[in-house]
Amino acid sequence: AQTVTQSQPEMSVQEAETVTLSCTYDTSESNYYLFWYKQPPSRQMILVIRQEAYKQQNATENRFSVNFQKAAKSFSLKISDSQLGDTAMYFCALEVNAGGTSYGKLTFGQGTILTVHP
Amino acid sequence: ETGVTQSPTHLIKTRGQQVTLRCSSQSGHNTVSWYQQALGQGPQFIFQYYREEENGRGNFPPRFSGLQFPNYSSELNVNALELDDSALYLCASSLWDRLYGYTFGSGTRLTVV
Repeated sequence: AQTVTQSQPEMSVQEAETVTLSCTYDTSESNYYLFWYKQPPSRQMILVIRQEAYKQQNATENRFSVNFQKAAKSFSLKISDSQLGDTAMYFCALEVNAGGTSYGKLTFGQGTILTVHP
Repeated sequence: ETGVTQSPTHLIKTRGQQVTLRCSSQSGHNTVSWYQQALGQGPQFIFQYYREEENGRGNFPPRFSGLQFPNYSSELNVNALELDDSALYLCASSLWDRLYGYTFGSGTRLTVV
């Protein structure tokens, strides 16, 4: 079974500053994907960034980057130059790539509410 | 290119009733997954449909069932509603190989009273 843990229920940051959201996970599989999703009040889950476990290089998408520590099973999200529009619930998620019925099954953490203050 | 559309957006049902939620997948996507998100929690995987068949199921009882149609749209049916079924139900579509990841809809907020 897979588990994802986000230990920070809430975080806040000033506009233009940097914030890091933490995530740890557990799986016995070697082939998997990790994701960060953003859920604003509109409720739609929006993909922020994705990391393939076999890639050592940390993924980046504009102001968003991850620190992927495979041995420690840690996957943190860094948001640089925070903007008011970044205010949302952020979810870390894991998908095992074991074929068959593992497809499509994302295991989510409990979420971190991020508030960006002007 | 259209995204994922879910209907209705809100729904109130009485305990013991049955409900059907609908999802239109993103154009070109052939796989649909359903999730239940309780208030303040992360989404929980219910099941996935591919080629009109269930392909993977989470820890949900049989009264949660689904369908996928030839146009890849999908329905989630819940029988004998319980108060704990009150949640946001999210639909996500993708290609089978998840090459471009998952696209989520905005969900259906179900309240059971």
